[in-house]
Amino acid sequence: GAGVSQSPSNKVTEKGKDVELRCDPISGHTALYWYRQSLGQGLEFLIYFQGNSAPDKSGLPSDRFSAERTGGSVSTLTIQRTQQEDSAVYLCASSPNRGSGTEAFFGQGTRLTVV
Amino acid sequence: GNSVTQMEGPVTLSEEAFLTINCTYTATGYPSLFWYVQYPGEGLQLLLKATKADDKGSNKGFEATYRKETTSFHLEKGSVQVSDSAVYFCALSEGNTDKLIFGTGTRLQVFP
Repeated sequence: GAGVSQSPSNKVTEKGKDVELRCDPISGHTALYWYRQSLGQGLEFLIYFQGNSAPDKSGLPSDRFSAERTGGSVSTLTIQRTQQEDSAVYLCASSPNRGSGTEAFFGQGTRLTVV
Repeated sequence: GNSVTQMEGPVTLSEEAFLTINCTYTATGYPSLFWYVQYPGEGLQLLLKATKADDKGSNKGFEATYRKETTSFHLEKGSVQVSDSAVYFCALSEGNTDKLIFGTGTRLQVFP
């Protein structure tokens, strides 16, 4: 596709269950980001992948959160033992590797609701 | 660490009014600065950017000037329209990476 694709668009899960969120970046983009958008909290950085470098995981809020990027393309964000405070919109973005100043392209997000 | 601070919303204006949304940043080096916009029901998209001091980014009638001396990148528009109603995010990236740090967002509501 032409843009960043995220699935599912909506996910309702029970507290304590694990969830996986998927992101398909724009083809050829080497940088991939995950952000979390909570009501009143703005955009919270979670994790950043850049090419073959070790990911920047400094934004992951707890060890229940993990992410991987296979083959430098598709990424999966996994939340284990979900809690109600994990409810948010999870946004994925990608950009070409052109350094600072490069535009990031965002997906529509996955709205996660933990009940 | 790097951070972005922007004014809290909502900002409520009448059509054709002048808009300013303040944004200041903290960075150890020389970041690039961005404004992203999120229209209702749509994904985030780049509005404008500036990559070095004194640069002015502009798009759709919006402008922002990179002020190194005041570490600011305030967003302005001379005459807002109802269609400008959205959430606006100030952001920075630094060094050789594309890693973006965002502010908390400012909701703009424009009424006819």
